Amino acid sequence: AQSVTQLGSHVSVSEGALVLLRCNYSSSVPPYLFWYVQYPNQGLQLLLKYTTGATLVKGINGFEAEFKKSETSFHLTKPSAHMSDAAEYFCAVIHSGGYNKLIFGAGTRLAVHP
Amino acid sequence: DGGITQSPKYLFRKEGQNVTLSCEQNLNHDAMYWYRQDPGQGLRLIYYSQIVNDFQKGDIAEGYSVSREKKESFPLTVTSAQKNPTAFYLCASSRASGTGELFFGEGSRLTVL
Repeated sequence: AQSVTQLGSHVSVSEGALVLLRCNYSSSVPPYLFWYVQYPNQGLQLLLKYTTGATLVKGINGFEAEFKKSETSFHLTKPSAHMSDAAEYFCAVIHSGGYNKLIFGAGTRLAVHP
Repeated sequence: DGGITQSPKYLFRKEGQNVTLSCEQNLNHDAMYWYRQDPGQGLRLIYYSQIVNDFQKGDIAEGYSVSREKKESFPLTVTSAQKNPTAFYLCASSRASGTGELFFGEGSRLTVL
Protein backbone atom coordinates (compact mmCIF):
# COMPACT_ATOMS: atom_id res chain seq x y z
CA ALA A 1 0.00 0.00 0.00
CA GLN A 2 1.11 3.53 -0.70
CA SER A 3 2.13 5.83 2.12
CA VAL A 4 3.93 9.12 2.61
CA THR A 5 6.06 10.24 5.54
CA GLN A 6 7.02 13.86 6.01
CA LEU A 7 9.89 14.30 8.45
CA GLY A 8 9.34 17.27 10.70
CA SER A 9 5.90 18.72 11.36
CA HIS A 10 7.42 22.18 11.81
CA VAL A 11 10.42 23.73 10.08
CA SER A 12 11.72 27.22 10.79
CA VAL A 13 14.20 29.09 8.61
CA SER A 14 15.53 32.60 8.30
CA GLU A 15 14.61 34.73 5.33
CA GLY A 16 17.17 34.06 2.59
CA ALA A 17 18.14 30.64 3.95
CA LEU A 18 17.76 27.30 2.21
CA VAL A 19 14.42 25.57 2.57
CA LEU A 20 14.47 21.76 2.79
CA LEU A 21 11.27 19.83 3.45
CA ARG A 22 11.63 16.06 3.57
CA CYS A 23 9.31 13.47 2.12
CA ASN A 24 9.71 9.71 1.89
CA TYR A 25 7.22 7.46 0.19
CA SER A 26 6.27 3.84 -0.03
CA SER A 27 4.72 2.55 -3.22
CA SER A 28 4.22 -0.85 -4.79
CA VAL A 29 4.08 0.68 -8.24
CA PRO A 30 6.16 3.40 -9.94
CA PRO A 31 5.05 6.46 -8.02
CA TYR A 32 3.54 9.70 -9.14
CA LEU A 33 4.62 12.23 -6.50
CA PHE A 34 3.38 15.71 -5.66
CA TRP A 35 3.97 18.69 -3.44
CA TYR A 36 1.05 20.93 -2.55
CA VAL A 37 1.06 24.15 -0.52
CA GLN A 38 -1.68 25.46 1.75
CA TYR A 39 -1.90 29.01 3.03
CA PRO A 40 -3.93 29.63 6.22
CA ASN A 41 -7.63 28.83 5.91
CA GLN A 42 -7.34 28.11 2.21
CA GLY A 43 -7.36 25.11 -0.06
CA LEU A 44 -4.28 23.42 -1.47
CA GLN A 45 -2.37 24.50 -4.56
CA LEU A 46 -0.09 22.29 -6.63
CA LEU A 47 3.57 23.27 -6.36
CA LEU A 48 5.08 20.58 -8.56
CA LYS A 49 4.75 16.96 -9.58
CA TYR A 50 6.85 14.03 -10.72
CA THR A 51 5.34 11.48 -13.06
CA THR A 52 8.02 10.14 -15.39
CA GLY A 53 11.17 11.45 -17.03
CA ALA A 54 13.53 13.97 -15.47
CA THR A 55 13.99 13.34 -11.78
CA LEU A 56 14.59 16.99 -10.89
CA VAL A 57 11.29 18.78 -11.09
CA LYS A 58 10.85 22.53 -10.99
CA GLY A 59 7.68 24.11 -9.70
CA ILE A 60 6.16 27.46 -8.97
CA ASN A 61 7.62 30.13 -6.68
CA GLY A 62 11.19 28.87 -7.11
CA PHE A 63 10.63 25.46 -5.52
CA GLU A 64 12.05 22.23 -6.87
CA ALA A 65 12.14 18.58 -5.84
CA GLU A 66 14.24 15.60 -6.77
CA PHE A 67 12.89 12.08 -7.12
CA LYS A 68 15.40 9.56 -5.75
CA LYS A 69 14.20 6.03 -6.27
CA SER A 70 17.07 4.45 -4.35
CA GLU A 71 16.20 6.52 -1.29
CA THR A 72 12.42 6.52 -1.87
CA SER A 73 12.54 10.26 -1.34
CA PHE A 74 11.07 13.37 -2.92
CA HIS A 75 12.43 16.26 -0.87
CA LEU A 76 11.33 19.84 -1.60
CA THR A 77 13.90 22.62 -1.72
CA LYS A 78 14.18 26.34 -2.37
CA PRO A 79 17.54 28.12 -2.36
CA SER A 80 16.36 31.28 -0.61
CA ALA A 81 13.30 31.55 1.59
CA HIS A 82 10.91 34.49 1.40
CA MET A 83 8.49 35.57 4.09
CA SER A 84 5.67 34.72 1.67
CA ASP A 85 6.75 31.05 1.69
CA ALA A 86 5.34 30.59 5.19
CA ALA A 87 2.61 27.98 4.77
CA GLU A 88 1.91 24.28 5.22
CA TYR A 89 3.36 21.90 2.66
CA PHE A 90 2.01 18.47 1.82
CA CYS A 91 3.72 15.66 -0.03
CA ALA A 92 1.42 13.19 -1.79
CA VAL A 93 1.51 9.99 -3.84
CA ILE A 94 -1.13 8.58 -6.12
CA HIS A 95 -3.10 5.75 -4.57
CA SER A 96 -2.62 2.33 -6.12
CA GLY A 97 -6.27 2.48 -7.13
CA GLY A 98 -5.17 4.98 -9.73
CA TYR A 99 -7.04 7.87 -11.19
CA ASN A 100 -6.43 10.93 -9.06
CA LYS A 101 -6.81 9.44 -5.62
CA LEU A 102 -3.97 10.96 -3.64
CA ILE A 103 -2.51 9.86 -0.33
CA PHE A 104 -1.18 12.84 1.59
CA GLY A 105 1.50 13.11 4.21
CA ALA A 106 0.75 14.77 7.54
CA GLY A 107 2.17 18.08 6.37
CA THR A 108 5.08 20.33 7.34
CA ARG A 109 4.44 23.83 8.55
CA LEU A 110 7.16 26.21 7.34
CA ALA A 111 7.86 29.36 9.32
CA VAL A 112 10.12 32.06 7.88
CA HIS A 113 11.54 34.65 10.24
CA PRO A 114 13.38 37.89 9.45
CA ASP B 1 -12.79 32.82 -13.58
CA GLY B 2 -12.96 29.05 -13.29
CA GLY B 3 -12.70 27.47 -9.92
CA ILE B 4 -14.28 25.59 -7.07
CA THR B 5 -16.69 27.21 -4.65
CA GLN B 6 -17.37 25.73 -1.25
CA SER B 7 -20.04 26.99 1.11
CA PRO B 8 -20.47 27.79 3.85
CA LYS B 9 -16.95 28.74 4.88
CA TYR B 10 -17.79 28.32 8.57
CA LEU B 11 -20.56 26.19 10.02
CA PHE B 12 -21.64 25.37 13.54
CA ARG B 13 -23.80 22.37 14.30
CA LYS B 14 -25.33 20.86 17.37
CA GLU B 15 -24.72 17.23 18.09
CA GLY B 16 -27.25 14.96 16.41
CA GLN B 17 -27.87 17.25 13.46
CA ASN B 18 -27.06 16.49 9.85
CA VAL B 19 -25.35 19.20 7.85
CA THR B 20 -24.67 19.53 4.12
CA LEU B 21 -21.59 21.19 2.67
CA SER B 22 -21.85 22.55 -0.85
CA CYS B 23 -19.20 22.17 -3.57
CA GLU B 24 -19.62 23.62 -7.05
CA GLN B 25 -17.05 23.70 -9.86
CA ASN B 26 -17.05 25.42 -13.24
CA LEU B 27 -13.85 23.83 -14.52
CA ASN B 28 -15.70 21.20 -16.55
CA HIS B 29 -13.90 18.49 -14.58
CA ASP B 30 -15.28 14.97 -14.53
CA ALA B 31 -13.89 13.94 -11.15
CA MET B 32 -14.62 15.43 -7.75
CA TYR B 33 -13.42 14.61 -4.25
CA TRP B 34 -14.04 15.34 -0.60
CA TYR B 35 -11.17 15.36 1.87
CA ARG B 36 -11.15 15.88 5.60
CA GLN B 37 -8.24 17.73 7.22
CA ASP B 38 -7.34 17.44 10.90
CA PRO B 39 -4.27 19.03 12.50
CA GLY B 40 -1.22 16.82 12.17
CA GLN B 41 -3.00 14.20 10.06
CA GLY B 42 -2.87 15.60 6.57
CA LEU B 43 -5.82 15.05 4.29
CA ARG B 44 -7.93 11.92 4.26
CA LEU B 45 -10.25 10.96 1.42
CA ILE B 46 -13.93 10.70 2.30
CA TYR B 47 -15.64 10.14 -1.06
CA TYR B 48 -14.84 10.62 -4.71
CA SER B 49 -16.76 10.64 -7.94
CA GLN B 50 -15.33 10.08 -11.38
CA ILE B 51 -18.55 10.63 -13.30
CA VAL B 52 -22.08 11.88 -12.80
CA ASN B 53 -24.38 9.51 -10.89
CA ASP B 54 -21.46 7.46 -9.62
CA PHE B 55 -19.31 7.80 -6.51
CA GLN B 56 -17.01 5.65 -4.41
CA LYS B 57 -16.11 5.49 -0.74
CA GLY B 58 -12.72 6.73 0.26
CA ASP B 59 -10.75 5.80 3.35
CA ILE B 60 -13.05 7.40 5.97
CA ALA B 61 -16.57 7.32 4.50
CA GLU B 62 -18.42 6.21 7.64
CA GLY B 63 -20.87 8.87 8.82
CA TYR B 64 -20.82 10.76 5.52
CA SER B 65 -22.94 10.68 2.36
CA VAL B 66 -22.66 12.32 -1.06
CA SER B 67 -24.56 12.70 -4.31
CA ARG B 68 -23.46 13.53 -7.84
CA GLU B 69 -26.54 14.46 -9.82
CA LYS B 70 -24.81 17.15 -11.86
CA LYS B 71 -21.28 17.36 -13.20
CA GLU B 72 -20.76 20.69 -11.47
CA SER B 73 -21.95 19.74 -8.01
CA PHE B 74 -20.81 17.27 -5.34
CA PRO B 75 -22.44 18.03 -1.96
CA LEU B 76 -21.30 16.28 1.21
CA THR B 77 -23.64 15.49 4.08
CA VAL B 78 -22.13 14.99 7.50
CA THR B 79 -24.60 12.83 9.36
CA SER B 80 -25.21 12.39 13.06
CA ALA B 81 -23.49 9.02 12.74
CA GLN B 82 -20.11 10.71 12.27
CA LYS B 83 -18.53 10.45 15.72
CA ASN B 84 -16.07 13.31 15.45
CA PRO B 85 -17.24 15.70 12.74
CA THR B 86 -15.38 18.83 13.80
CA ALA B 87 -12.81 19.36 11.03
CA PHE B 88 -11.83 21.33 7.95
CA TYR B 89 -13.43 19.88 4.81
CA LEU B 90 -11.90 20.35 1.38
CA CYS B 91 -13.53 19.71 -1.96
CA ALA B 92 -11.42 19.16 -5.07
CA SER B 93 -11.86 18.38 -8.72
CA SER B 94 -9.70 17.07 -11.53
CA ARG B 95 -9.73 15.93 -15.11
CA ALA B 96 -10.53 12.27 -15.55
CA SER B 97 -6.98 11.30 -16.53
CA GLY B 98 -4.79 10.17 -13.67
CA THR B 99 -2.20 12.93 -13.54
CA GLY B 100 -2.83 13.72 -9.90
CA GLU B 101 -3.40 17.45 -10.26
CA LEU B 102 -6.29 18.37 -8.02
CA PHE B 103 -7.88 21.81 -7.87
CA PHE B 104 -9.12 22.66 -4.39
CA GLY B 105 -11.80 24.90 -3.00
CA GLU B 106 -11.09 27.13 -0.01
CA GLY B 107 -12.64 24.72 2.44
CA SER B 108 -15.47 24.61 4.95
CA ARG B 109 -14.75 24.56 8.67
CA LEU B 110 -17.35 22.60 10.61
CA THR B 111 -17.57 22.89 14.37
CA VAL B 112 -19.89 20.71 16.40
CA LEU B 113 -21.00 22.31 19.64
